[in-house]
Amino acid sequence: QITLQESGPTLVKPTQTLTLTCTFSGFSLTTGGVAVGWFRQPPGKALEWLALISGNDDEDDNERHSPSLKSRVTITKDTSKSQVVLTMTNMEPVDTATYYCAHRTGYYDFLAYFDHWGQGTLVTVSS
Amino acid sequence: QSVLTQPPSVSAAPGQKVTISCSGSSSNIGSHYVSWYQLLPGTAPKLVIYDNTKRPSGIPDRFSGSKSGPSATLGITGLQTGDEAEYYCATYDGSLSAPVVFGGGTKLTVL
Repeated sequence: QITLQESGPTLVKPTQTLTLTCTFSGFSLTTGGVAVGWFRQPPGKALEWLALISGNDDEDDNERHSPSLKSRVTITKDTSKSQVVLTMTNMEPVDTATYYCAHRTGYYDFLAYFDHWGQGTLVTVSS
Repeated sequence: QSVLTQPPSVSAAPGQKVTISCSGSSSNIGSHYVSWYQLLPGTAPKLVIYDNTKRPSGIPDRFSGSKSGPSATLGITGLQTGDEAEYYCATYDGSLSAPVVFGGGTKLTVL
């Protein structure tokens, strides 16, 4: 059974760095065909993809992030702890959202889908 | 502005049928598989349709998916109050640097 759980601060101040951890079980992030993604949904707005990390370290694009967030987002994994960490710098009030991590099945982007999700964690950015 | 276009809201009575449309282009829906996700506040999002028409284990056959050209549709029959949620379509877009793009979401209200 695959499970994922997000954890991290519920409140961050503007300009601070957000670090969220996705702890998963039921799969290993060490092979191709498996990946973990991060997403967010601001209140009243649409779901948005943030970053993706693959289980295959040999892939050229093993770690990817949304172009709209440019260099603010970093995604890393610790396979020994079964964790994926999302870091987002220079947080602003517009970054207030529920943040989700999800397991992806599929070797290629055009054949993949996200079949297991965490419950999400609400992060508020406010001074 | 989402890459894929969905109606903001749909509604229907319990027991009735509803469809949710998702409109894209030749670089996304027109060329690639579509998946659909159900979002309920406080719960983990759920994959309800993948590969255009397939249902994951545990998703009742009241849920169905279809695709024609650059558009896709999610259908739900025998509506239940528990189906009231937000639904998002998603796919790959070959013209963008992203592994997945989403629609703007559709709020389903079961009256």
